[in-house]
Amino acid sequence: DSGVTQTPKHLITATGQRVTLRCSPRSGDLSVYWYQQSLDQGLQFLIQYYNGEERAKGNILERFSAQQFPDLHSELNLSSLELGDSALYFCASTEGSGGYEQYFGPGTRLTVT
Amino acid sequence: GQQLNQSPQSMFIQEGEDVSMNCTSSSIFNTWLWYKQDPGEGPVLLIALYKAGELTSNGRLTAQFGITRKDSFLNISASIPSDVGIYFCAGNPIRKETSGSRLTFGEGTQLTVNP
Repeated sequence: DSGVTQTPKHLITATGQRVTLRCSPRSGDLSVYWYQQSLDQGLQFLIQYYNGEERAKGNILERFSAQQFPDLHSELNLSSLELGDSALYFCASTEGSGGYEQYFGPGTRLTVT
Repeated sequence: GQQLNQSPQSMFIQEGEDVSMNCTSSSIFNTWLWYKQDPGEGPVLLIALYKAGELTSNGRLTAQFGITRKDSFLNISASIPSDVGIYFCAGNPIRKETSGSRLTFGEGTQLTVNP
């Protein structure tokens, strides 16, 4: 158990809908990272938040957004969902803003039908 | 974007055999990490490397940070059935911007161990 929690475990929704994925980092960690893992593209970095502020951005679609709250949990919002958004979404956390030893949560499997 | 070439894509070995996999990049990395992912689970950190030439062990696992800083390898000795899974290399390429940290992942090596 990494100490990172993610909810829900599974999510099935229809195209065009909007969903919110939630992540709680390990106790004491201030940074949260979001990754997307699809079958044909491996793990892709989406975005990093550190202590409530956006710190780094990857290839995150404009339809996706994230935020980190004062209690340090983070939410990833995915809107206008398309079939190609079906994937595993992981969050990871580290103590600092420049941490490389990232500890991953169990993931949310999103299926868009 | 940055790409990591991880090989082999898959391996089928007998229990007790040693395994070696590697990762290369066209860019210089300042950090290399190795993760293992079981089906339906998140990646689990195995080894982190921070210095060119560094050789680090974690039980039966040994990883090295290449001297050129563009490659890394992972060895598993005396494999056992629970070693089955997908092994990913990951790294942090040197960037112009200094804020934040992101990992670039290889495509993974699927390891199957036959008892």
